Amino acid sequence: AQSVTQLDSHVSVSEGTPVLLRCNYSSSYSPSLFWYVQHPNKGLQLLLKYTSAATLVKGINGFEAEFKKSETSFHLTKPSAHMSDAAEYFCVVSESGGSNYKLTFGKGTLLTVNP
Amino acid sequence: DVKVTQSSRYLVKRTGEKVFLECVQDMDHENMFWYRQDPGLGLRLIYFSYDVKMKEKGDIPEGYSVSREKKERFSLILESASTNQTSMYLCASSLWVWRDSYNEQFFGPGTRLTVL
Repeated sequence: AQSVTQLDSHVSVSEGTPVLLRCNYSSSYSPSLFWYVQHPNKGLQLLLKYTSAATLVKGINGFEAEFKKSETSFHLTKPSAHMSDAAEYFCVVSESGGSNYKLTFGKGTLLTVNP
Repeated sequence: DVKVTQSSRYLVKRTGEKVFLECVQDMDHENMFWYRQDPGLGLRLIYFSYDVKMKEKGDIPEGYSVSREKKERFSLILESASTNQTSMYLCASSLWVWRDSYNEQFFGPGTRLTVL
């Protein structure tokens, strides 16, 4: 069975400071991991995905995430927050391979960026 | 680019009405999904379809049904809408898993349904 825990429901940062959104996962098999972003009144957009080719994954808009198997973590970071980063972020796990279709979503982290 | 479209952005219905939410994708994806999104609960899977006329229940299918008559279109049906079905509904599509082992899903913009 797979599960994902986003450790913070709300993170508030100042513009220009680093962003850290924390995610831990549980998976019986080799997982695929994603971060999706949802801006107000919009659908979900893929930010980045872990493809097993490299543990440090770079995404759009300067975000990156590091897959740490020993810690079962996939935290999302950005060196310098921008006002446009204010949104809700979802960490997602999928057990890749076979016929498993299911994505399991975390409950989301709301990122607020203060001027 | 993959495009997933949903028939309405906002919808207001009355209790007991039959409600249809439509979703269309243009990338020949085998899989299509319906989720509902509620504050603090993330996304929860209602139903999914892996082929025309095929469907499987997700985590919260009660009160919903689905229809997939064509590969590109997946409909969510609320047989008798109730106030606890007020929510944001998101449609998604993806390739069949063996064609994409990373199982990335592409989402529509969502339909915010209010049941009065």
